[in-house]
Amino acid sequence: AQKITQTQPGMFVQEKEAVTLDCTYDTSDQSYGLFWYKQPSSGEMIFLIYQGSYDEQNATEGRYSLNFQKARKSANLVISASQLGDSAMYFCAMREEGSNFGNEKLTFGTGTRLTIIP
Amino acid sequence: DGGITQSPKYLFRKEGQNVTLSCEQNLNHDAMYWYRQDPGQGLRLIYYSQIVNDFQKGDIAEGYSVSREKKESFPLTVTSAQKNPTAFYLCASSIWESGANVLTFGAGSRLTVL
Repeated sequence: AQKITQTQPGMFVQEKEAVTLDCTYDTSDQSYGLFWYKQPSSGEMIFLIYQGSYDEQNATEGRYSLNFQKARKSANLVISASQLGDSAMYFCAMREEGSNFGNEKLTFGTGTRLTIIP
Repeated sequence: DGGITQSPKYLFRKEGQNVTLSCEQNLNHDAMYWYRQDPGQGLRLIYYSQIVNDFQKGDIAEGYSVSREKKESFPLTVTSAQKNPTAFYLCASSIWESGANVLTFGAGSRLTVL
């Protein structure tokens, strides 16, 4: 069975500093994908970044990058130059092998609450 | 603007009552999903639908029912058979983006059983 582990329930970071949110995963699948979502206090889940298991380069999207270490089964999210608006819950998620269009079953971690301090 | 609309945002229900949560999307997405979120936990899949008039059970479908009569709509009914229905419910639809099938979520509905 697939499992996602986020060991940091909460983090406090000074504004403009970089922050790393940890995510480790467990799967026996050869093909899988890893996602990061942001959930502000409004409740909506916002897609941030995606990394496929066969992607050789780490994914980047603006200030977000994903530090993918396949051998260690980790997929940490790095946010550069943090902003007050980055304060939110962050969830790591993994898609199951065999997921196809219309069948995007994701396994989610328990999340990390990030608070940016002015 | 395209997006997913969930209603109501807050809902209170007495024990033994069924309640239906609405989910409407104008993104022209084929696939739609319902997830449940409990405090301190990640999201868990209830039901999903790939096309109109077809849907599949997720990991925690017991006590829930859905329908998909229109592409734009995927309502979720929380029945009296659901033992612990108090939770935050998120509806999503999916599109291929960044090399993956990315879920777009609504703002959620918070259900409280009194």
